[in-house]
Amino acid sequence: TQLLEQSPQFLSIQEGENLTVYCNSSSVFSSLQWYRQEPGEGPVLLVTVVTGGEVKKLKRLTFQFGDARKDSSLHITAAQPGDTGLYLCAGNKAAGNKLTFGGGTRVLVKP
Amino acid sequence: GAVVSQHPSRVICKSGTSVKIECRSLDFQATTMFWYRQFPKQSLMLMATSNEGSKATYEQGVEKDKFLINHASLTLSTLTVTSAHPEDSSFYICSARISGDLNQPQHFGDGTRLSIL
Repeated sequence: TQLLEQSPQFLSIQEGENLTVYCNSSSVFSSLQWYRQEPGEGPVLLVTVVTGGEVKKLKRLTFQFGDARKDSSLHITAAQPGDTGLYLCAGNKAAGNKLTFGGGTRVLVKP
Repeated sequence: GAVVSQHPSRVICKSGTSVKIECRSLDFQATTMFWYRQFPKQSLMLMATSNEGSKATYEQGVEKDKFLINHASLTLSTLTVTSAHPEDSSFYICSARISGDLNQPQHFGDGTRLSIL
């Protein structure tokens, strides 16, 4: 059982549709990061959220950190084929600690 | 931005060979680096935390004599897979965090694909 559960595991949508990826835990995290990874490459940091209830926007991507800092979501509006990739959430239980990764959500946006 | 370089990007070698992977922080100092392993279509699994000037901390189930880690400077950590076998074939990724700020996120290298024949 993973400390961070991501859902869904796989998502296939048409270009222009919206999607939401969830990252849930029973543990509290001091911060949580979202990464996107493409095949054969390392993860690239998208955002870090640290305050309960925080909402951050990055163009068409909206990230939310739950009030209790146990969960987070990533919402993509009007998805494009370039959004295709493996989305990973990762949390720090305390500043400076090792990251715990979720299982990942594989997103495919078809043109 | 913070850049982490991994070398080599791909290794193919025979069973029994030892393979060394380098992880460098190019434009910042990193007291702590991390080594991950990723199997196809799976997430990253932390193998060990590499601390500059001291012994690495290994996760449960990771053999420290099999995966030797050396972090001799603030910009370089190495992972050596000793006497590699086909089951060691995987994608190995390192990350580094900027020294002095525990709230900084980790920055990842581009990974090393290891294939043992």
